[in-house]
Amino acid sequence: QKEVEQNSGPLSVPEGAIASLNCTYSDRGSQSFFWYRQYSGKSPELIMFIYSNGDKEDGRFTAQLNKASQYVSLLIRDSQPSDSATYLCAADSGNTGKLIFGQGTTLQVKP
Amino acid sequence: NAGVTQTPKFQVLKTGQSMTLQCAQDMNHNSMYWYRQDPGMGLRLIYYSASEGTTDKGEVPNGYNVSRLNKREFSLRLESAAPSQTSVYFCASSEGQGRAFFGQGTRLTVV
Repeated sequence: QKEVEQNSGPLSVPEGAIASLNCTYSDRGSQSFFWYRQYSGKSPELIMFIYSNGDKEDGRFTAQLNKASQYVSLLIRDSQPSDSATYLCAADSGNTGKLIFGQGTTLQVKP
Repeated sequence: NAGVTQTPKFQVLKTGQSMTLQCAQDMNHNSMYWYRQDPGMGLRLIYYSASEGTTDKGEVPNGYNVSRLNKREFSLRLESAAPSQTSVYFCASSEGQGRAFFGQGTRLTVV
């Protein structure tokens, strides 16, 4: 079992809808969580990070963390075709500095 | 500002050959990482370095060695390449809180 798990998808949503991406982690020692976006053939880029339980909003993106359930999610409001990419969830493993990634969820936003 | 620079961008090796992938960052980050990315597998951590002079194994270290030459540079060596090491390799650096910046990747094929 991977330390960070994601549904590989693809997740398909119509333009303007809310896309909901989910991630679970197994190491209760992990304290920091990250969402990276990766376009096909490109490098991952950081879009959100969250350290505390609850919600964190940045523009159209909201990250949610529930440490009791070991669950992290990313909501993308008003989804655009340009949001079509693979979204990678990552955790700081046991708060050691090692950044462990899930397998990624492919999002397709259809015009 | 170059960020994280990897060389080479592409490489074809024969089975049993050796090679070193180079990575340098100019952001004065302490932490550096090497990942491999295979279809459907997300990013898997090969080795991690929390600071100059320290390295630690990640999820898939077998068949690889690393050197943290100084704060800027972190190299990955394949001593005897195998077809199973065909992958895209990413180097990354971070300020130590998991907010990582990635290089452009090296596409390695072992035949």
